[in-house]
Formats: sequence, structure tokens, C-alpha cells
Amino acid sequence: LAKTTQPISMDSYEGQEVNITCSHNNIATNDYITWYQQFPSQGPRFIIQGYKTKVTNEVASLFIPADRKSSTLSLPRVSLSDTAVYYCLVGPRGGNTGKLIFGQGTTLQVKP
Amino acid sequence: DTAVSQTPKYLVTQMGNDKSIKCEQNLGHDTMYWYKQDSKKFLKIMFSYNNKELIINETVPNRFSPKSPDKAHLNLHINSLELGDSAVYFCASSPNLAGGGNEQFFGPGTRLTVL
Repeated sequence: LAKTTQPISMDSYEGQEVNITCSHNNIATNDYITWYQQFPSQGPRFIIQGYKTKVTNEVASLFIPADRKSSTLSLPRVSLSDTAVYYCLVGPRGGNTGKLIFGQGTTLQVKP
Repeated sequence: DTAVSQTPKYLVTQMGNDKSIKCEQNLGHDTMYWYKQDSKKFLKIMFSYNNKELIINETVPNRFSPKSPDKAHLNLHINSLELGDSAVYFCASSPNLAGGGNEQFFGPGTRLTVL
């Protein structure tokens, strides 16, 4: 499973756009990029997944450059309730679970 | 309706005791997992089961013994608890084996404190 690197923490203010970048230099051809969100005292929950270019859903957008060695999770107009830890995970669909390590994640603090 | 549930939510116990954490999913998934999250927020997989069969045991001490009576349940029994076992334990499930690219559904977690 490709190792990922994210900033440990980020601060933002309500109404701003937040971009969290994840580096995954050793990403394999069949790997997907998945982001999870974890609120305090809760389990992580799936936000978005992509393979290349751009993916958008009602919660976030995911930008993946052509070389796929990094990805950026974009949260539009954050609110206080977006304060959470965000994890980037890289791996194939199906097959051997391998070493599913979520890493330390990025702790996003949204301020009023 | 809770998709993945765990009991208990909090567990405080003494060193040397044996305890169990239960997990159930009502999503009809084939695969279930146990994760351990330490104080630094690292979330690391411990076990994965697919259709009641153990698939992955990630260098977890044999004091930890998962048990899957059916594919909707994956319980975790811990013998001779140690201080270092204090952490939050998450159960998760996915439709099939997740190599990182399949969406996993997590339970609310069980905070284990060993005194």
C-alpha cells in the first residue's frame, strides 16, 4: 500500500475554502485515492474517492494531477462543523487488504 | 438504524483482566475489520475477516483473538490486558475485501482504558 504524507494540522475560518494535500509518490497503477473524515469520538466516514482528474460530490472535491503522485481534498466554504481529522488512503479496490494504515491524518480546526 | 455497532462504548479495566468487545453490522457486507487508534490518531488495522475467515492479522499479539460467529459479527477478545492496550478500537465493514480502495463503514469506537 502506497505511503501517504499529509500536513498534521491546518487552521481555517468559517466560509473559507480549505485545501488539504496528500502526497503518495509510490502510488500504483491500480490504486485509488480515498479520503475519510473523523469527528471527535466517532469512527471515520468516507468522504470521496477518485482515480484521476477531478471528482466532486455534495461534500467535497478531489483534484488529482496527471502523475497521480499527490491529491488535494477541497472543502468549499467550511463551517465550524467541518472541524475534524481528514485521512488520505491509497490502495486498490478489492484484493488483499494489505497494510491498511490511515496514518496520522490532518487535523482541521475551523474558527469562527 | 445503526449500520455498524459496537459494545461497549467505554471499557475501563485493570491490568491482567480479560475483556471482549462486540461488533455487528447490518449492511450485508462480507468483510469486517478491527482497527486500533492510538493517542496520536494513527489508525492501524489489526484484523480483517472475509466471510467469517481470517484474512489479515497484522502482527497483533496473540492475546488478541477475534471471533466471527457469522459474517455480520466480529468480536474481539483480549486476554491479560496491558497498559499499552489502552486505545480506541474501531470495527469496520466493507462489501468485500478492501485493498484501500473500497469504502469502509466504521463503528462508533470503543475506548479501552487499562489501569
